[in-house]
Amino acid sequence: DTAVSQTPKYLVTQMGNDKSIKCEQNLGHDTMYWYKQDSKKFLKIMFSYNNKELIINETVPNRFSPKSPDKAHLNLHINSLELGDSAVYFCASSQPQGPLTDTQYFGPGTRLTVL
Amino acid sequence: QKEVEQNSGPLSVPEGAIASLNCTYSDRGSQSFFWYRQYSGKSPELIMSIYSNGDKEDGRFTAQLNKASQYVSLLIRDSQPSDSATYLCAVSGATNKLIFGTGTLLAVQP
Repeated sequence: DTAVSQTPKYLVTQMGNDKSIKCEQNLGHDTMYWYKQDSKKFLKIMFSYNNKELIINETVPNRFSPKSPDKAHLNLHINSLELGDSAVYFCASSQPQGPLTDTQYFGPGTRLTVL
Repeated sequence: QKEVEQNSGPLSVPEGAIASLNCTYSDRGSQSFFWYRQYSGKSPELIMSIYSNGDKEDGRFTAQLNKASQYVSLLIRDSQPSDSATYLCAVSGATNKLIFGTGTLLAVQP
């Protein structure tokens, strides 16, 4: 069984469109994340939710809106897509166990291409 | 100054040799340190985590942490062609937010 899954795997769309990426984890973790990996392979956190509550919100355009309907799901909606949004988006999850950061498990990624 | 710095490589080593990957970080308050491996077109997967100064060994992998020097490294013994990948160093402080380096591309030559 896949621990962290994302859909779709590939997304090709035109500039100006609105699209969503879905993420689900079956690990029972409380915390979920969205990361963006650009063409130079730099992986940067965008958002984090703990038990449906937003806890990390990096400097991301407000065209990006995460939503967590329950602690096993974290979706990412992107409005008015721009060329610079083309990247691989990774979802991840972890189970906080104290003051130290626990391992984050990554989904397979969604490759978004904006034309 | 980047928060987490790695040499982008490529680092080329012959099969069976020791590969040494290095990482420095800027935040002295960092408490958690990770090495992830990422094959081309795949997602990052955890190789090692380390929280205390010193060495931590797991099979062919050894992570080394020196908080005074703000330095963390990964040694891969008996390197295999299947170890060829990008290795990402990640560092976290009290916020549970992982800051990644840009990764080092390792190429193990048969």
